[in-house]
Amino acid sequence: DVKVTQSSRYLVKRTGEKVFLECVQDMDHENMFWYRQDPGLGLRLIYFSYDVKMKEKGDIPEGYSVSREKKERFSLILESASTNQTSMYLCASSSPSGRGNTIYFGEGSWLTVV
Amino acid sequence: GNSVTQMEGPVTLSEEAFLTINCTYTATGYPSLFWYVQYPGEGLQLLLKATKADDKGSNKGFEATYRKETTSFHLEKGSVQVSDSAVYFCALSPSDDYKLSFGAGTTVTVRA
Repeated sequence: DVKVTQSSRYLVKRTGEKVFLECVQDMDHENMFWYRQDPGLGLRLIYFSYDVKMKEKGDIPEGYSVSREKKERFSLILESASTNQTSMYLCASSSPSGRGNTIYFGEGSWLTVV
Repeated sequence: GNSVTQMEGPVTLSEEAFLTINCTYTATGYPSLFWYVQYPGEGLQLLLKATKADDKGSNKGFEATYRKETTSFHLEKGSVQVSDSAVYFCALSPSDDYKLSFGAGTTVTVRA
């Protein structure tokens, strides 16, 4: 069964802290994604990686960075957390082959910055 | 650029009612279209998809038809159940890319 696992479901961090959100997939997928979900805005792409050590900015990369040292793992980093980064973060993965490929999502990480 | 517009919610229905959620898109070329569902406290799951014009995606009693002439991909279910209460997202993937662009989501609540 397909599995995308986000290590932390709920986090509370202080303003200015460095925050790491970890994601692991077990499907040997090349593509991995980080989205942010906010009410009324849907999902917005933060960063995308199509291979190990490769990354591409999405629609809202400001204030975030990512790391992909191994194929199965994709980390989202908030260098200095701010209250406007309080949100639900969703990791996803897909295979690049074929048209209309399904993207598989993790269960999400709820981050509150106080 | 690519964008998806779906009807605003929330939508509240009684069990066995008919559900329609409208979705229209803007994209160049021939995108693939998706409906994802998010049950309370969970991540997103693929509900159905269509990759070319006039294709119909279907799953769990839900259907949506890819209409290129109206740039639409409306979601329908003939008889909803309480267990269908969720947030539904319409999304597209451009023909030359792997990334998804999402609509804002529509919250559906079905009452017994």
